[in-house]
Amino acid sequence: AQSVSQHNHHVILSEAASLELGCNYSYGGTVNLFWYVQYPGQHLQLLLKYFSGDPLVKGIKGFEAEFIKSKFSFNLRKPSVQWSDTAEYFCAVNEISGNTPLVFGKGTRLSVIA
Amino acid sequence: GAVVSQHPSRVICKSGTSVKIECRSLDFQATTMFWYRQFPKQSLMLMATSNEGSKATYEQGVEKDKFLINHASLTLSTLTVTSAHPEDSSFYICSARGQFNEKLFFGSGTQLSVL
Repeated sequence: AQSVSQHNHHVILSEAASLELGCNYSYGGTVNLFWYVQYPGQHLQLLLKYFSGDPLVKGIKGFEAEFIKSKFSFNLRKPSVQWSDTAEYFCAVNEISGNTPLVFGKGTRLSVIA
Repeated sequence: GAVVSQHPSRVICKSGTSVKIECRSLDFQATTMFWYRQFPKQSLMLMATSNEGSKATYEQGVEKDKFLINHASLTLSTLTVTSAHPEDSSFYICSARGQFNEKLFFGSGTQLSVL
């Protein structure tokens, strides 16, 4: 079965610091990869996704992620975080063959302090 | 963009009662809907997958007689928590996907508190 690992449970950064959240998955086939964000009190929102093509994906709010197939990774990055980036970030994967749901990682809580 | 509406957003009920949660796709036909639950400080866990017009497929460990899922139309799926108990208190989220759309759209979630 697929599994998704997010290495950090809680990350605390100062404003303007650079961010990188790790995500690794176990499935060896062709996959779609996602990062979702859940701001406090809100529902999940799609941050960015990778289906095919350029492995460096640009998302909303200055986030980007790089798909490295050989490492089964899809790490999320942002050069300079803001206080408003404080949220829970979920990596998710689904295989493109068949009607499969997303498999989520456990999530990483990001706290940005002034 | 596509919108998934989930109601209620919050419900508090007494132990032993049943609670129904609705998930509607507002501007697309959701051939598949997924129901997740999220306990505090944990990730989303898939409970079941429902395809319109057929019985839901439940994940291991999820009691199908306790969590009744109905997906009778292409725009509506319901999750009924029957005889709720305090351990059922959780955040329930639905997501929907159309037949030709790989993107999942999420509802806003329902916080269930069972007293």
